[in-house]
Amino acid sequence: GENVEQHPSTLSVQEGDSAVIKCTYSDSASNYFPWYKQELGKGPQLIIDIRSNVGEKKDQRIAVTLNKTAKHFSLHITETQPEDSAVYFCAASPSGTYKYIFGTGTRLKVLA
Amino acid sequence: GAVVSQHPSRVICKSGTSVKIECRSLDFQATTMFWYRQFPKKSLMLMATSNEGSKATYEQGVEKDKFLINHASLTLSTLTVTSAHPEDSSFYICSALQGGTSYEQYFGPGTRLTVT
Repeated sequence: GENVEQHPSTLSVQEGDSAVIKCTYSDSASNYFPWYKQELGKGPQLIIDIRSNVGEKKDQRIAVTLNKTAKHFSLHITETQPEDSAVYFCAASPSGTYKYIFGTGTRLKVLA
Repeated sequence: GAVVSQHPSRVICKSGTSVKIECRSLDFQATTMFWYRQFPKKSLMLMATSNEGSKATYEQGVEKDKFLINHASLTLSTLTVTSAHPEDSSFYICSALQGGTSYEQYFGPGTRLTVT
């Protein structure tokens, strides 16, 4: 089955700097890759997603890149702000299902 | 946007009792809902896929007789933890698919279960 690895587990950046979180997946047939932000004690919120037929997607300060050949995808946050501090999860959805296999999470801390 | 609610947000129950958690899609119909479990500082682990009008599909290692899932309508799925024990204490989160060709899951706010 699908397995998703995520790095780093923790990341501290200065306000205004960029943050990059990377994930790799094992199932080459997976075709949908969302990124979620989770604040303490709350449910995850989708921040950006990408389908397997697209290499890059951007939404203001957030971008996601996908390398299907290498089976990895990355989240890029530019001009980080303290309110970006949270836990971020990547996920992969195996083809033919709508379920998600989540990565292990990255705790991002933006220092003011 | 699509909103998913869960009730209760927190529940404390005694060992050996059962507790029911509700997951509702408030402004859309969800033919498929998912149930996850999350331990402190850990990732979300998929427990089961719930389809309206049919039996849930459980992930490997999840006891179907302990975690009863019912998806009786297009807007409501319930998870019942039967004969709860302290090791069942966890954060339970549901999500719902809006349907069509969208893969996006909308997550509820979670339910914190504590078994004493």
